[in-house]
Amino acid sequence: AQTVTQSQPEMSVQEAETVTLSCTYDTSESDYYLFWYKQPPSRQMILVIRQEAYKQQNATENRFSVNFQKAAKSFSLKISDSQLGDAAMYFCAYSGNNNDMRFGAGTRLTVKP
Amino acid sequence: EAQVTQNPRYLITVTGKKLTVTCSQNMNHEYMSWYRQDPGLGLRQIYYSMNVEVTDKGDVPEGYKVSRKEKRNFPLILESPSPNQTSLYFCASSFLASSPTDTQYFGPGTRLTVL
Repeated sequence: AQTVTQSQPEMSVQEAETVTLSCTYDTSESDYYLFWYKQPPSRQMILVIRQEAYKQQNATENRFSVNFQKAAKSFSLKISDSQLGDAAMYFCAYSGNNNDMRFGAGTRLTVKP
Repeated sequence: EAQVTQNPRYLITVTGKKLTVTCSQNMNHEYMSWYRQDPGLGLRQIYYSMNVEVTDKGDVPEGYKVSRKEKRNFPLILESPSPNQTSLYFCASSFLASSPTDTQYFGPGTRLTVL
């Protein structure tokens, strides 16, 4: 079964600085999606960015970008110019050909003013 | 407004008292799913459905039931709740054109406490 591992339970970053959140996954599939979701204190799950495995180009959404290393099964999230509103739990997630969805345990990001 | 709604948002109940958490989406999505979120474990999938009358078990289906009689609704049923089912529950939906599942849109969550 596919697994998703987030090895950093907590991270902190200074406002305006850059931070990278790590995610690794285990799969034997060749076609899949990877996602980063943000969960602020409101508990709402918000999609930050997604990556299709067949695309070699790393996805980017404004200040958020990923480093997708398919061979290494690594999918890290980089947040540039961190803002106070970026403080949240971040979850990495995997969706494969079984149509199920697997999440990592999450990384709590603190942004210091 | 495109959204996934869940009711109730908060529920405190007692062991053994049957309950249903409703989930509805207005985006004509084929795929719907239930998750539970527990500290240190992230979100774990309970059940999912790829279309009407089609449901599949996720990672943690024990103690839960679901049904998909209509495309827009996907209720979660706890026939005999136990304290270990105290958790934060999320419903989600997505447009499923083919495998794998595309971006899921989440409801606001239901905080369930079983005493």
